[in-house]
Amino acid sequence: DTGVSQNPRHKITKRGQNVTFRCDPISEHNRLYWYRQTLGQGPEFLTYFQNEAQLEKSRLLSDRFSAERPKGSFSTLEIQRTEQGDSAMYLCASSLNREAEAFFGQGTRLTVV
Amino acid sequence: AQSVTQLGSHVSVSEGALVLLRCNYSSSVPPYLFWYVQYPNQGLQLLLKYTSAATLVKGINGFEAEFKKSETSFHLTKPSAHMSDAAEYFCAVSDITGFQKLVFGTGTRLLVSP
Repeated sequence: DTGVSQNPRHKITKRGQNVTFRCDPISEHNRLYWYRQTLGQGPEFLTYFQNEAQLEKSRLLSDRFSAERPKGSFSTLEIQRTEQGDSAMYLCASSLNREAEAFFGQGTRLTVV
Repeated sequence: AQSVTQLGSHVSVSEGALVLLRCNYSSSVPPYLFWYVQYPNQGLQLLLKYTSAATLVKGINGFEAEFKKSETSFHLTKPSAHMSDAAEYFCAVSDITGFQKLVFGTGTRLLVSP
């Protein structure tokens, strides 16, 4: 499978714990995006990378959230001191360039208990 | 700021009937518009996109959408529904710089009955 891969698919964590998600984009895609989708809502933009540079961050991305894309390949999204409100599906997408279609991964569903 | 409004959180049709999912957008600059489909516990798949070329856009699985600037609409249609079309559908808008940031609507769940 050469699509966008996200791991883990599901994560249950206790409030206050740190979690990290990984996204492997399609090979040679230099743009990578993170979105968050809560129940009954559409995805909301969090941040995106052009190669290894993080070019834009949403106001939704509080200080507890950090995203990296070392070497412009895979990306990680870390949430520190998780809160119940962080429970959501975290979606990653990648595209070849600015004009190209963004392909989405299957998402990581986070449940904070 | 850009935004999208999807009218109707649920739409029910019979198999073989016309599918019409409504989307209205707001944008201060010429928009790019998209329809995505999401199956349970899956990511999003692009159905079709409008990027300022033809106003009638044809997508995958027999879906099409028409961009109407005067009505600020981009409704999704399919002449004959199939059971496999049952899913969540999202309309999204971006500015003309492309896929930099998609703003999604709240989604419409399509239910197809036999």
